[in-house]
Amino acid sequence: DIQMTQSPSSLSASVGDRVTITCRASQSISSNLNWYQQKQGKAPKLLIYAASSLQSGVPSRFGGSGSGTDFTLTVSSLQPEDFATYYCQQSHTTPWTFGQGTKVEIK
Amino acid sequence: QVQLVESGGGVVQPGGSLRLCCAASGFTFSSYHMHWVRQAPGKGLEWVAFIRYDGSNKYYADSVKGRFTISRDNSKNTLYLQMNSLRPEDTAVYYCANLISMIVYWGQGTLVTVSS
Repeated sequence: DIQMTQSPSSLSASVGDRVTITCRASQSISSNLNWYQQKQGKAPKLLIYAASSLQSGVPSRFGGSGSGTDFTLTVSSLQPEDFATYYCQQSHTTPWTFGQGTKVEIK
Repeated sequence: QVQLVESGGGVVQPGGSLRLCCAASGFTFSSYHMHWVRQAPGKGLEWVAFIRYDGSNKYYADSVKGRFTISRDNSKNTLYLQMNSLRPEDTAVYYCANLISMIVYWGQGTLVTVSS
């Protein structure tokens, strides 16, 4: 199975900050990497698919980059509604595997 | 638009059984592979099972192998997860999901609680 290592596991940031979360795959997954936002009690919400494509309806302050094994999610200017947990996921092969999650909290 | 709606969750005693359903619409169900993913309370996301578009191949996480069975009825546009010999550690929200043109679609989830 492909292992996904996400960091950091948590971070504290202020509104307006630029935030970066990284995800590393144990082997190449090309660009088959997705980023999700999850709020308490809700299903994961797809933000970025294929490493860098913005899902319809997602604000442009969210961006993704990378290919192969190293990927990044960036929030250019954190908004109050962005405080949540973020997960990366590889859809390159079955079984799908996920990062451990990054909890973004208010500083 | 693609829609996945899970049902069948509930409270069950350890050792019991439950069958989850996922009703699909908005796409040609019989053409796409399907997955189940779960999330235990306060924990991360865990892939559970996979079935090919035609039901010819199935794969399971080691944690559920031999206890859970994934199946589908393409005539009813419905995915199933038969869960037997349930354990407290199977308590989770269960999601069905699929991949269409590089986008992963998810249902809203159904909660399974295994408790005496």
